[in-house]
Amino acid sequence: GAGVSQTPSNKVTEKGKYVELRCDPISGHTALYWYRQSLGQGPEFLIYFQGTGAADDSGLPNDRFFAVRPEGSVSTLKIQRTERGDSAVYLCASSLMGQHPNEQFFGPGTRLTVL
Amino acid sequence: SQKIEQNSEALNIQEGKTATLTCNYTNYSPAYLQWYRQDPGRGPVFLLLIRENEKEKRKERLKVTFDTTLKQSLFHITASQPADSATYLCALALTGGGNKLTFGTGTQLKVEL
Repeated sequence: GAGVSQTPSNKVTEKGKYVELRCDPISGHTALYWYRQSLGQGPEFLIYFQGTGAADDSGLPNDRFFAVRPEGSVSTLKIQRTERGDSAVYLCASSLMGQHPNEQFFGPGTRLTVL
Repeated sequence: SQKIEQNSEALNIQEGKTATLTCNYTNYSPAYLQWYRQDPGRGPVFLLLIRENEKEKRKERLKVTFDTTLKQSLFHITASQPADSATYLCALALTGGGNKLTFGTGTQLKVEL
């Protein structure tokens, strides 16, 4: 597909469980971003990759959150010991480069519900 | 503290009129500002980007202004249509911050027949 894809589209889990959210960026996009969006709010930055490395992870709320992008393409956001407050839509975006003003292309998001 | 404020209440306008949405920010020095459209259940879609040294940008029926003295951006949709109904988000990118975006809460626009 031509756009950013995210899987799963919905994830329901129980408090304390581990979850992985996957993002497939647009082919050739070197920059990849994760955001989190709560109801009625704008997206909140979590982490940004330039290639394989995390260029800025200042938005990760705590050490339960971790993200990887081992081959510079697909990324996985990992959340350990989930809490009810982690419930939100997790959005992934990609762009051609990270250091220049480029539009970001967003995926449809993964809706995470922690019971 | 740093804040990005957009009209929290929904904006209802009649078809054919011009919609104007406001984005105000405090304690930021943005390198540029972007506007996105978001429909329910979808990710944001990029509309326009304006740099700190630009006053105005246009694209078809869309116009964005950027006043770094007032710390404000205005987003206009002329000849509005029901299909323009969506939530509109402004986002700032800071100098030296890479392309990381800080978003406002968004304004919901409803264009009525």
